[in-house]
Amino acid sequence: EPEVTQTPSHQVTQMGQEVILRCVPISNHLYFYWYRQILGQKVEFLVSFYNNEISEKSEIFDDQFSVERPDGSNFTLKIRSTKLEDSAMYFCASSGLGGGQPQHFGDGTRLSIL
Amino acid sequence: QKEVEQNSGPLSVPEGAIASLNCTYSDRGSQSFFWYRQYSGKSPELIMFIYSNGDKEDGRFTAQLNKASQYVSLLIRDSQPSDSATYLCAVNRSNDYKLSFGAGTTVTVRA
Repeated sequence: EPEVTQTPSHQVTQMGQEVILRCVPISNHLYFYWYRQILGQKVEFLVSFYNNEISEKSEIFDDQFSVERPDGSNFTLKIRSTKLEDSAMYFCASSGLGGGQPQHFGDGTRLSIL
Repeated sequence: QKEVEQNSGPLSVPEGAIASLNCTYSDRGSQSFFWYRQYSGKSPELIMFIYSNGDKEDGRFTAQLNKASQYVSLLIRDSQPSDSATYLCAVNRSNDYKLSFGAGTTVTVRA
């Protein structure tokens, strides 16, 4: 069964550094998403992406964050000037169609900011 | 008011019993409803989705939706120890992109 793959599985970074989290969505999916889950808290939406542009973003997704689809398969989340509170699990998801369609999640990247 | 509310649990059920999980949502514009299972330290795994009022069955799982009451539930029949996990309710509006998640209900199935 097709799946969303994310790399790395665990990223440890010093505060203030930049990180790039990578995702390969399911191949025939058109909509891509990033969510995060701080330990012990609920899953929170960050951003959705379609046709090479952001379609929706949350209040969390400020100027510190950016997303990109650098080629036909990868989808990345860049976090600049990382802060301690950015420590969380980051999940990439994809769906075949847009709003209302099931989103399939990758295994996540655990980001630890020291 | 939280967008999506779930009883946090834990919900403890004996093996073979029915586990009943509830979820309420505040946005009447919500059109699509999802149940995800999340094992500790793992990612959400889609197990059910429902769009219309009524029941939808898939194997041992049944999702029930009542839009008038803004209520969606999940029944797990013949519960197995492997069903022990946190179950996340998620909703979104039609033509909207984000999923709004509840905090999850932790289910423990006793052997």
